[in-house]
Amino acid sequence: GENVEQHPSTLSVQEGDSAVIKCTYSDSASNYFPWYKQELGKGPQLIIDIRSNVGEKKDQRIAVTLNKTAKHFSLHITETQPEDSAVYFCAAGGKLIFGQGTTLQVKP
Amino acid sequence: DAGVIQSPRHEVTEMGQEVTLRCKPISGHNSLFWYRQTMMRGLELLIYFNNNVPIDDSGMPEDRFSAKMPNASFSTLKIQPSEPRDSAVYFCASSPGPKAYEQYFGPGTRLTVT
Repeated sequence: GENVEQHPSTLSVQEGDSAVIKCTYSDSASNYFPWYKQELGKGPQLIIDIRSNVGEKKDQRIAVTLNKTAKHFSLHITETQPEDSAVYFCAAGGKLIFGQGTTLQVKP
Repeated sequence: DAGVIQSPRHEVTEMGQEVTLRCKPISGHNSLFWYRQTMMRGLELLIYFNNNVPIDDSGMPEDRFSAKMPNASFSTLKIQPSEPRDSAVYFCASSPGPKAYEQYFGPGTRLTVT
């Protein structure tokens, strides 16, 4: 079955710096790769997704890149702000398998 | 627009009791998913429905867990009898399409079994 590995598990950056979270997946048939943001006490919220027919997608300060050959995809957050602090999850596979999450802390 | 609605938000029960969690998906969405989230195991898919029909229940931990979707606007996840190891946050999510589509999560139900 699909396996998704996410790194790092925790990430601390200064406000204004960039943050990068990486995920690898095992099922080469996967064609949908979403990223979710989960704030304390809330459900995961979809922030950006990419399908396998594109290599990069951008939405304001966030972007996702996909390398199907290497079976990995990444979330990039630029100009980080304290409100970006949360747990971020990647997912892959027809039956979405979630990574273990990355706790991002943005220090003011 | 109302998002996915879950009730109750918190549930505390004693071991052996029956627990029923409820979910109302986003109107017009035809797929519904139940997840469980724990620190140890992360976010796990328990079961998913498409057009009210259970498609994949391979994630349901054991026979104590059951889920139903009697119509397009309501689903339940039942645990009977409950055990302390069932303590977790249970999320419901809905999607406008089949599996590989964006999912929208509810706020979750935090279940504590003592």
